[in-house]
Amino acid sequence: NAGVTQTPKFRVLKTGQSMTLLCAQDMNHEYMYWYRQDPGMGLRLIHYSVGEGTTAKGEVPDGYNVSRLKKQNFLLGLESAAPSQTSVYFCASNTGSSYEQYFGPGTRLTVT
Amino acid sequence: AQTVTQSQPEMSVQEAETVTLSCTYDTSESNYYLFWYKQPPSRQMILVIRQEAYKQQNATENRFSVNFQKAAKSFSLKISDSQLGDTAMYFCAFSYGGTSYGKLTFGQGTILTVHP
Repeated sequence: NAGVTQTPKFRVLKTGQSMTLLCAQDMNHEYMYWYRQDPGMGLRLIHYSVGEGTTAKGEVPDGYNVSRLKKQNFLLGLESAAPSQTSVYFCASNTGSSYEQYFGPGTRLTVT
Repeated sequence: AQTVTQSQPEMSVQEAETVTLSCTYDTSESNYYLFWYKQPPSRQMILVIRQEAYKQQNATENRFSVNFQKAAKSFSLKISDSQLGDTAMYFCAFSYGGTSYGKLTFGQGTILTVHP
């Protein structure tokens, strides 16, 4: 049981490039989330999904898109990366009937 | 919208001593949950303790306990018998109950260093 996994673990992008972060969970959880962590600001919610085929905006959604085509996967896309998107990105999942979130190991993204 | 504030950017404690991390929050709702997460240098987010707002009894997990003051909207974490492995960033987090879909709002974090 791998829990929540994230791919890749590290990435460096140039301004304007695009990329997709993949989150996968093998716990059959309904809810999935993407957060970003920046120094002095804690973690902030980017987008979330309450089931396959659904997505919703969180606190800081601008510049990101997401998709949840399969229940176990939640993709976060950056269409045109900006230096302000340099951050550590965390994916998390939740059964939908409890309030405990299970986090992935994080992806460190640097945009130059 | 709810806010979570951790006013201590950094704290330090000697091994085996007790330390308390502070957290305050702001909400007009009555049904909610509060959490403390630990983030060691490995970056992994680990749930330390959880408190349901409707419960008056403070939550306890081994050496970790909370002081939940609902009227004051305060939720502090006490770590007893501190160990070197407790060195980490600690985040206080809030989630509404009901149909909030478990979304978390985090505080800014407190870096705790345990000295030998």
